[in-house]
Amino acid sequence: AQSVTQPDIHITVSEGASLELRCNYSYGATPYLFWYVQSPGQGLQLLLKYFSGDTLVQGIKGFEAEFKRSQSSFNLRKPSVHWSDAAEYFCAVGAGDTGTASKLTFGTGTRLQVTL
Amino acid sequence: DTGVSQDPRHKITKRGQNVTFRCDPISEHNRLYWYRQTLGQGPEFLTYFQNEAQLEKSRLLSDRFSAERPKGSFSTLEIQRTEQGDSAMYLCASSFGTGHSPLHFGNGTRLTVT
Repeated sequence: AQSVTQPDIHITVSEGASLELRCNYSYGATPYLFWYVQSPGQGLQLLLKYFSGDTLVQGIKGFEAEFKRSQSSFNLRKPSVHWSDAAEYFCAVGAGDTGTASKLTFGTGTRLQVTL
Repeated sequence: DTGVSQDPRHKITKRGQNVTFRCDPISEHNRLYWYRQTLGQGPEFLTYFQNEAQLEKSRLLSDRFSAERPKGSFSTLEIQRTEQGDSAMYLCASSFGTGHSPLHFGNGTRLTVT
């Protein structure tokens, strides 16, 4: 069974500083990887996804993530954080088989706080 | 694209009562998912429909839970004899196609069982 670990429960960065949120996954085959963002009381919005190909993927709002198979990681980065980026961020892995495609397993999330 | 709509946004109920939530997916999305999210946790998969067929149910979905998608469009999730442990955010998501299309989530229904 697949699993996702987000080691950082809470991260605080200053506005304008760079950001990296860590994500490690466990899955026996080729993973399908996602990052979602959730504002308080809201649903989840897709930031970016990795299915195959280029291991550096670009997403919305200036976010990017790099898939590293050797490290089983899919870390999310942003060069310069804006105050509006404060939210909860979830990494998720999808099953690589086609039987239940798109069924996702989520990590426990990282809460990002941005100081002005 | 009007997004995934969930109703109600909030529901407070007393233990032992039955509750029903509704989800309207993005039109033409053939797949619909229900997830549950408790405080401080990521969403956990509950069940999944392709069109009107319920293809998978998580072990988290006890006998008190039932989900339907009668015409392959909207879906309902019913919880019978609610317990305090059912208090959570219930999220609905939809996607299109047969591959790994990204899930589009609604804003959820927050259930509080007193």
